[in-house]
Amino acid sequence: DAGVTQSPTHLIKTRGQQVTLRCSPKSGHDTVSWYQQALGQGPQFIFQYYEEEERQRGNFPDRFSGHQFPNYSSELNVNALLLGDSALYLCASSSDRGQYEQYFGPGTRLTVT
Amino acid sequence: AQRVTQPEKLLSVFKGAPVELKCNYSYSGSPELFWYVQYSRQRLQLLLRHISRESIKGFTADLNKGETSFHLKKPFAQEEDSAMYYCALFIQGAQKLVFGQGTRLTINP
Repeated sequence: DAGVTQSPTHLIKTRGQQVTLRCSPKSGHDTVSWYQQALGQGPQFIFQYYEEEERQRGNFPDRFSGHQFPNYSSELNVNALLLGDSALYLCASSSDRGQYEQYFGPGTRLTVT
Repeated sequence: AQRVTQPEKLLSVFKGAPVELKCNYSYSGSPELFWYVQYSRQRLQLLLRHISRESIKGFTADLNKGETSFHLKKPFAQEEDSAMYYCALFIQGAQKLVFGQGTRLTINP
């Protein structure tokens, strides 16, 4: 089991563009959470997907949206990119019965210029 | 408000010396607290959780509800302990982890 995987590793986009980040959860996990980690900060919760629906959401604007597929993989979409969206985006997977034990992927480093 | 505070951004100790990384939290519910560690060029990984009361890699952490703290301790630091450490609080209703800003621990030889 490769654990949680994310793609791409790095991404450079221009202000105003749109981006899609991808995540495959650890085998046996059905819940995916997304976090944004700005430089020098701890990760901040964006939202969580379970049964292909957004179950919880943090304090992020509607420009941030997501999707979960039947195989539990997930996408994070960010529209109308701002310079402030530059960050490491982390995906974490867990089982619905073990929400607190979240396993993190390596992250996608997004740079907005 | 739900908040996790790690007052030290940087902590440097000598090999063999005791280590204590501080974590304080603010939460009205029953806290579930964790320590995550990120070694250089590796992903964030769970180090320990208070509910299991286990010792991982020589580290322990005790939940002190009176002081709302969950400090991470190790009696004798090793060079391989150098890493970024994050304290995190699990919020049951919101199903999310709230992280502190992290402490970069450096163990000097």
